[in-house]
Amino acid sequence: SQQGEEDPQALSIQEGENATMNCSYKTSINNLQWYRQNSGRGLVHLILIRSNEREKHSGRLRVTLDTSKKSSSLLITASRAADTASYFCATDSGAQKLVFGQGTRLTINP
Amino acid sequence: DTGVSQDPRHKITKRGQNVTFRCDPISEHNRLYWYRQTLGQGPEFLTYFQNEAQLEKSRLLSDRFSAERPKGSFSTLEIQRTEQGDSAMYLCASSLATGAGNYGYTFGSGTRLTVV
Repeated sequence: SQQGEEDPQALSIQEGENATMNCSYKTSINNLQWYRQNSGRGLVHLILIRSNEREKHSGRLRVTLDTSKKSSSLLITASRAADTASYFCATDSGAQKLVFGQGTRLTINP
Repeated sequence: DTGVSQDPRHKITKRGQNVTFRCDPISEHNRLYWYRQTLGQGPEFLTYFQNEAQLEKSRLLSDRFSAERPKGSFSTLEIQRTEQGDSAMYLCASSLATGAGNYGYTFGSGTRLTVV
């Protein structure tokens, strides 16, 4: 079963613009993780945010977490063509496995 | 150690045939996971091992599917009597689980199965 709902399902922006993706989930969590997947490839871990954290940065990535709303957002600033990929949120609720959302397909137009 | 390795990368098989995939996790990791991903969807959990013990299996894992991790290192996922609905990307991941938490989730590049 899929825990997360991601919004939007697809996003197309111009290179240099910022991209924001949202993830909502249903149960309480220990942490939430974001992954990137290029077409036909495996998942690459981007960032992990713990349930007691509200915001985290890594390079051009900014993740926020609102546990009261059970939601998270991933912001990619100054997007590049190489950022074109699918982005997934995944929750760790202490149930021994990650549960993934359905993903946002991001296209960066040159 | 270069990460999680999966073999083969691609497999095309005829309906009804059996297939087996292999996953080599990061050597320090004690947990190994199998996920299935169909086109346009997120990965769905199939099963996981802690060392050699299989601790959880999803309802997605029908009786045609079997996974093993005999020595707590590499794992195999076998699908018997394949069906067209089994066509998907099969992803393996490993992590290090301690009393403090579950860390370092790392995914392999996946095995793409096509059943014709």
